[in-house]
Amino acid sequence: SSELTQDPAVSVALGQTVRITCQGDSLRSYYATWYQQKPGQAPVLVISGKNNRPSGIPDRFSVSSSGNTASLTITGAQAEDEADYYCNSRDNSGHQVLFGGGTKLTVL
Amino acid sequence: EVQLVESGGGLVQPGGSLRLSCAASGFTFSSWTMNWVRQAPGKGLEWVALISSSYNTIYYADSVKGRFTISRDNAKNSLFLQMNSLTAEDTAVYYCAREGYGVTQYFYYYMDVWGKGTTVTVSS
Repeated sequence: SSELTQDPAVSVALGQTVRITCQGDSLRSYYATWYQQKPGQAPVLVISGKNNRPSGIPDRFSVSSSGNTASLTITGAQAEDEADYYCNSRDNSGHQVLFGGGTKLTVL
Repeated sequence: EVQLVESGGGLVQPGGSLRLSCAASGFTFSSWTMNWVRQAPGKGLEWVALISSSYNTIYYADSVKGRFTISRDNAKNSLFLQMNSLTAEDTAVYYCAREGYGVTQYFYYYMDVWGKGTTVTVSS
């Protein structure tokens, strides 16, 4: 199918580790890319490929994948990590760009 | 500074048209694939269209195919989105975004520069 599926909401205690997942058939052929979006702001690229982080993105953000599931892990979540997170990939044809529905991360 | 600035949003009646623009600066615009991505109020990100650096590859989301046209002018460092036959479902913030790609074991694509967005409201 041409979809990426994310859990709508996840919570984590301050300083703990949280995993946000993304499922889709195309993830067997493409790495997922992850974006962070805070209210009223444009999305920000967090990580792509095999743990490629833009400058300014802390190394507590990492990714992994297995089969049709990609995961974004935040190790030692901080209050400023509270945001919506979107995964992104292409469909199997490569002609459509897919976004997951987004996961709202709450840091308790 | 690498920057994208969208413009052209506004209030339009159902069935109407609007043309969005995205001005790029601080990088070699002609070397990059560009995308339009939108976000309806309170909803997630939805990809709209992409155009390759040399104009020869254009893709559209099914939801806009036949109504929207993406184009670019590399000489003017500008990206455009012509939107026709607008409906309430097109109401959203529209972002332009620069896209790169890489390959290790698999391909991956990433949008590493985003504009702040321009708001389109379709309402009578």
